[in-house]
Amino acid sequence: DQQVKQNSPSLSVQEGRISILNCDYTNSMFDYFLWYKKYPAEGPTFLISISSIKDKNEDGRFTVFLNKSAKHLSLHIVPSQPGDSAVYFCAAVAYSGAGSYQLTFGKGTKLSVIP
Amino acid sequence: EAQVTQNPRYLITVTGKKLTVTCSQNMNHEYMSWYRQDPGLGLRQIYYSMNVEVTDKGDVPEGYKVSRKEKRNFPLILESPSPNQTSLYFCASSFRSRGINQPQHFGDGTRLSIL
Repeated sequence: DQQVKQNSPSLSVQEGRISILNCDYTNSMFDYFLWYKKYPAEGPTFLISISSIKDKNEDGRFTVFLNKSAKHLSLHIVPSQPGDSAVYFCAAVAYSGAGSYQLTFGKGTKLSVIP
Repeated sequence: EAQVTQNPRYLITVTGKKLTVTCSQNMNHEYMSWYRQDPGLGLRQIYYSMNVEVTDKGDVPEGYKVSRKEKRNFPLILESPSPNQTSLYFCASSFRSRGINQPQHFGDGTRLSIL
């Protein structure tokens, strides 16, 4: 049962335009969400996060929006740059009791920014 | 430089031959975890550790063992590797405050091929 879904395996965007990456989740216990970016032959690197008490978090060109009622979050990159071409993973955190936390990743979306 | 170091980076071995992938971090992080990345499946958590001598199963623990005797090290052990464990493995670490809400730092990955 996939609790964090990134339904678009890939996305192509023209340089300078907006990239929108989507993520849906099913577990209502998730209360913190993160986006990671991964280049080939490297480990994922943290990009931006959002707590469930917020609906928006912004960091430079990157903005994450959270719609709790729809169990949906999205990552906006404006403007998109060729260096943004990477695989983007959505991740969600839920407290699983006894001081432990469950972290679940989506399958990733490969973003290609075309010069 | 803050980093998570995995060794080896690449390994080809045969079914049934015990192997260990080491992971070391120099950031004094309490939380460490192991993931595997497979095509179409994204990142799946194998095991995690909230602190020294505290380990717990992730989503896909079968066929793996871990230990956390020291804060900086979190080795992944495959007692009797099988071909379905051929994958790209990532180790990650983070501070524990509010658990894994702190963004994780990932190693560069270990590509294992089990023949």
